Amino acid sequence: GPKVLQIPSHQIIDMGQMVTLNCDPVSNHLYFYWYKQILGQQMEFLVNFYNGKVMEKSKLFKDQFSVERPDGSYFTLKIQPTALEDSAVYFCASSFDRVEQYFGPGTRLTVL
Amino acid sequence: GDSVTQTEGQVTVSESKSLIINCTYSTTSIAYPNLFWYVRYPGEGLQLLLKVITAGQKGSSRGFEATYNKETTSFHLQKASVQESDSAVYYCALGDRNYAQGLTFGLGTRVSVFP
Repeated sequence: GPKVLQIPSHQIIDMGQMVTLNCDPVSNHLYFYWYKQILGQQMEFLVNFYNGKVMEKSKLFKDQFSVERPDGSYFTLKIQPTALEDSAVYFCASSFDRVEQYFGPGTRLTVL
Repeated sequence: GDSVTQTEGQVTVSESKSLIINCTYSTTSIAYPNLFWYVRYPGEGLQLLLKVITAGQKGSSRGFEATYNKETTSFHLQKASVQESDSAVYYCALGDRNYAQGLTFGLGTRVSVFP
């Protein structure tokens, strides 16, 4: 079936640095999402993005977070600056109709 | 807020036996949420297993079934006879009609099927 890819699979950075997580969504999908999962906890919604704009974001989507999809390429999540509590696995998802979301395998982010 | 509860973190079952994974939900903002089961097989991303968007209806896929029970606010996943290939982590999730806040997930249930 359709696949969402995420690059890199693992990222280790020092606190205070900037990090960009990349997502290659399904080609004809229109809606894009980021979720965050801390070890041992539920996967939680961060943000959804449609038509070049953030549509909704949760309280977890801090001011240090930003998303974009320049020129229909990768859908990215940027964190600047990073904090220790940003350590988690970040999942990207895309959808054509918002009903069925297709998820990537996740990027494990470790902030030291 | 909204929440999804899966009471079993891990289930071990023998091949050809039946399986049931419990899921209950709570929502303060959505009268009739859409309900989902997602599955993550080893080394793969999360995949939609089945969805039901109407209370009282049953969804089915790959031999799995789940019925949307509004009275008990439950959406348990069942399979009559499991195979080793069903070993995976199963997640129950809910979403509102507009999916404005994305999906709300349970913690997941790891199913291990032994031959």
